[in-house]
Amino acid sequence: ELKVEQNPLFLSMQEGKNYTIYCNYSTTSDRLYWYRQDPGKSLESLFVLLSNGAVKQEGRLMASLDTKARLSTLHITAAVHDLSATYFCAVDPPKAAGNKLTFGGGTRVLVKP
Amino acid sequence: KAGVTQTPRYLIKTRGQQVTLSCSPISGHRSVSWYQQTPGQGLQFLFEYFSETQRNKGNFPGRFSGRQFSNSRSEMNVSTLELGDSALYLCASSYGTRNTGELFFGEGSRLTVL
Repeated sequence: ELKVEQNPLFLSMQEGKNYTIYCNYSTTSDRLYWYRQDPGKSLESLFVLLSNGAVKQEGRLMASLDTKARLSTLHITAAVHDLSATYFCAVDPPKAAGNKLTFGGGTRVLVKP
Repeated sequence: KAGVTQTPRYLIKTRGQQVTLSCSPISGHRSVSWYQQTPGQGLQFLFEYFSETQRNKGNFPGRFSGRQFSNSRSEMNVSTLELGDSALYLCASSYGTRNTGELFFGEGSRLTVL
């Protein structure tokens, strides 16, 4: 059974500092997703990582994937208040047709001035 | 282009009733998948439909069912509602081929069971 673990579960950030969220998964997969969710809202797609060594960046967020270590990281550079949200990683089973995402438990991020 | 549309956005039901939720995917997307989000269990996969066929299924009881129509719109049904079915139900659409990857989520249908 595929398991996805995120840590930390909660991250209190200071504006201007750098932080990392970790996502570990238990079995081989070649697709990893990062989503953002604001309170009471839906999931916003941030990144899709499709291969080992993939790195994607958008603004202050950068995600990377190490399929050998079964680890993805979401790095936040110079945090700002607008980044306060819950971040989820999710993984598809290996070689599965279609989509059947297993989500991590989420990391709640609060950026304080 | 229009995003994923879910209706209704909010609904309240009582135990034992049934409910039907609807999802209209992004135009051109053939895959629709459903997820349940609760504070206790987090986000859990329910099922995925592609070209009117259920392609993947999660570990939910048979009270949870779904279908997809020829225009790719999908519905999910929960029968004999229980208090624990109170949740945010999210629908996601994609092209459905493995290499495209990205899933787009709707705003969700928030179900409260009393």
